Amino acid sequence: QVQLVQSGAEVKKPGASVKVSCKASGYTFNSYFIHWVRQAPGQGLEWMGIINPSGGSTVYAQKFQGRVTMTRDTSTSTVYMELSSLRSEDTAVYYCARPGIAVAGTTQFNYWGQGTLVTVSS
Amino acid sequence: QSVLTQPPSASGTPGQRVTISCSGSRSNIGSNTVNWYQQLPGTAPKLLIYNNYQRPSGVPDRFSGSKSGTSASLAISGLQSEDEADYYCAAWDDSLNGHVAFGGGTKVTVL
Repeated sequence: QVQLVQSGAEVKKPGASVKVSCKASGYTFNSYFIHWVRQAPGQGLEWMGIINPSGGSTVYAQKFQGRVTMTRDTSTSTVYMELSSLRSEDTAVYYCARPGIAVAGTTQFNYWGQGTLVTVSS
Repeated sequence: QSVLTQPPSASGTPGQRVTISCSGSRSNIGSNTVNWYQQLPGTAPKLLIYNNYQRPSGVPDRFSGSKSGTSASLAISGLQSEDEADYYCAAWDDSLNGHVAFGGGTKVTVL
């Protein structure tokens, strides 16, 4: 069965960086794009970007360009999302999500990681 | 300031029908399929409706979706207490090199 398992909660100071991992299993890693979505406390879902595990190409949401970097390690079937220059507004639960179809331009996220809480506080 | 517009709240008594709207534009709903998510407190979103109206395996047929032009809607018929949750619509947006557009979410309360 498809599983996305994320790394644990993080506490960071303003200005620092955080790197969240998402380990995939139960399917061919290179065949499906992975998206990152975040949710601030009491707020809605916000898309951050997408990575193609086959080749590593990325597309980032305009809001995060210059601050976010998504990478992958095909040897461990793991995708990473690094966010830099953290501020308090970045406090949120960060999710990785995988579509149910092998295309980039879809919002059909059949599979989600459990979420990683990142707290930014001085 | 979500790209897709949803009402912030909706409510109904058990057994009633509740409808949630999702309004977009030509570059998102007008050009691509709409998906709906249910999110219970403290959990990851769950795919509820895909391709505008299709239900994943295990989703009760009380949930239905539709789309017309640049708008979509989710209907919950025979409302049950366990349907109390946040609901989000989503569609791919072809503008700005392509990106995911989410609605702001609708909190459904079962009275």
